[in-house]
Amino acid sequence: NAGVTQTPKFQVLKTGQSMTLQCAQDMNHNSMYWYRQDPGMGLRLIYYSASEGTTDKGEVPNGYNVSRLNKREFSLRLESAAPSQTSVYFCASSESLPGVAGRYNEQFFGPGTRLTVL
Amino acid sequence: GIQVEQSPPDLILQEGANSTLRCNFSDSVNNLQWFHQNPWGQLINLFYIPSGTKQNGRLSATTVATERYSLLYISSSQTTDSGVYFCAVEWVGDMRFGAGTRLTVKP
Repeated sequence: NAGVTQTPKFQVLKTGQSMTLQCAQDMNHNSMYWYRQDPGMGLRLIYYSASEGTTDKGEVPNGYNVSRLNKREFSLRLESAAPSQTSVYFCASSESLPGVAGRYNEQFFGPGTRLTVL
Repeated sequence: GIQVEQSPPDLILQEGANSTLRCNFSDSVNNLQWFHQNPWGQLINLFYIPSGTKQNGRLSATTVATERYSLLYISSSQTTDSGVYFCAVEWVGDMRFGAGTRLTVKP
């Protein structure tokens, strides 16, 4: 069981370049998430997907797009990278528990992708 | 928006000491989680605790939702407990994190 995997681990981009961050989970979870973490801060939610084919914006969605390709995979795309998007990006997944109040259940995180935009 | 405040921001302990970390939030929330981020950046979910008390080994957590706070207790701390502890709350469909408490446990 690999849990949540992310690729790449590190990436350096120039302003204006595009790239896609990949995330996959093998725990058969319905829900997946993308977060960013800036130095000295907690995580901020970029996008959330409750199931295949559905996505919702989080706190900081501007400049990003996502695709929930299937139940296992959730990708994050930067179409035109900006220095303000320099951050560490985490993917997470969780079960959806019927009848449990709250949208975000116990989350399992990937190792993160450290992105620098010059 | 909601404010999620953690205290203290930094904490240094000797191995074997106990500690209490606090998380205050300014509005009603659907749930609350505690996470540990180790010095290598890996995030681990410690507790999913919208209310009540839970225990897992040397760690326990209590959330009093009506008073808008949660506490994380670490007993008999070990050097492997070092890292940053985050609380996060679910608020109007979004997940909001506090800025964290950085814990250093010295041998």
